[in-house]
This record gives sequence, structure tokens and C-alpha cells, in this order.
Amino acid sequence: DQQVKQNSPSLSVQEGRISILNCDYTNSMFDYFLWYKKYPAEGPTFLISISSIKDKNEDGRFTVFLNKSAKHLSLHIVPSQPGDSAVYFCAATGTSYDKVIFGPGTSLSVIP
Amino acid sequence: NAGVTQTPKFQVLKTGQSMTLQCAQDMNHNSMYWYRQDPGMGLRLIYYSASEGTTDKGEVPNGYNVSRLNKREFSLRLESAAPSQTSVYFCASPSGTYEQYFGPGTRLTVT
Repeated sequence: DQQVKQNSPSLSVQEGRISILNCDYTNSMFDYFLWYKKYPAEGPTFLISISSIKDKNEDGRFTVFLNKSAKHLSLHIVPSQPGDSAVYFCAATGTSYDKVIFGPGTSLSVIP
Repeated sequence: NAGVTQTPKFQVLKTGQSMTLQCAQDMNHNSMYWYRQDPGMGLRLIYYSASEGTTDKGEVPNGYNVSRLNKREFSLRLESAAPSQTSVYFCASPSGTYEQYFGPGTRLTVT
């Protein structure tokens, strides 16, 4: 049973618009969440993270929102750019964990 | 400073053959991880090493062995490759804040 879910395998957005990528988790012990971005033929790279003591974290065009009661987080990209086209992985871990659990990924296409 | 390096980049094996995937990191991190990525499955942890001299099983360890040779190097061995092990393999090493640094990956095909 997947502990981290990304229910949209793919998403297509027009350049300049907002991209919203969603992630749900089932384990209430998770208290730290990360987003990774992956281009074809490359390894994933860290994008942004959020601790459970916060409900929002912002870094430039990227904002992650956390709703602990719903066990849901989302990544907002504003404005979206063609270079943002990649696979985005949501991941979760916690202070009582020694590993990170990844979701299946969402493939984002930003159309010029 | 190369971060995490992996060799080889590509490999084709026949069923039953063996091979070792190599990983090295130059960030002086204690932990190192091996993941496999399959379509629709995300990144699944095969084995990890929390420190030099220790290794532990992850989510999908069957068919694999690992060696933490020293602080820098962590290898993954397939003793008898099977078509189900066709995948992209990533080595990673986390910083203290859970942020993982990934290598470029090894694309393995088992026929």
C-alpha cells in the first residue's frame, strides 16, 4: 500500500499559468515533506521542502502548502515556464524514520 | 566536487548474469541509499547504509546485495539478474536535513 500518493500521473499547463501538483500521504508519523524534480536521463534534484510545523513554504516561483489534517500537500509553480517540464516526486519522512518514502511522480508539461 | 557519481550509465545483461553497480559520493555524508525507479512506482528503496560498516534492507531488497566499502563508496550487486530487475537505478546520499543528492542513474536492461 502506497504511503505517498500522487494521483495525477500527468499534468499539462500553459506557459505563464499556475501549475498545481498534489500529493497525499497516509502515515501520520511523517513530519517532513520534500519535492524533487527529475529531467529525463538525470537523477532527481531537490526542489523545496516543508516541515509539519509550517503550513506554507515559499522559494521563488515555488510554494508548497501543507494541510496536516487532510494529510495533503501541494506544490504551486507560478508562473510556469517551459523549463519546468519534468517529473515531480513528492516524498515524506520523519524524525522517527531513517528513510524517505517517494510517491509515483507527476509528469508536468508546460506548453509555450 | 562531483556530488554523487554512478557507473556504468547503461548496461544490458542476459538472465542469470551478475553485475555490480558502483556509487561514490564526495560530500562526506554518512548515509547512502540505492533506489530503483519503475514507471508508475516512483522511487523504491532497495538497500541503504546509515553509516560506514552498516547496511539495511529497504522496501525491495530481494535479488540484490550491497557493500559499503568505505564512507565514499556503496555498491549494489545483482548475483543472478532477472527481467524483473530491468529498471533505472539511482544512488543517493542525504544531507542532515533529509535532502537527498542523487547520482545520474544506471539504466539496466535484463533480457
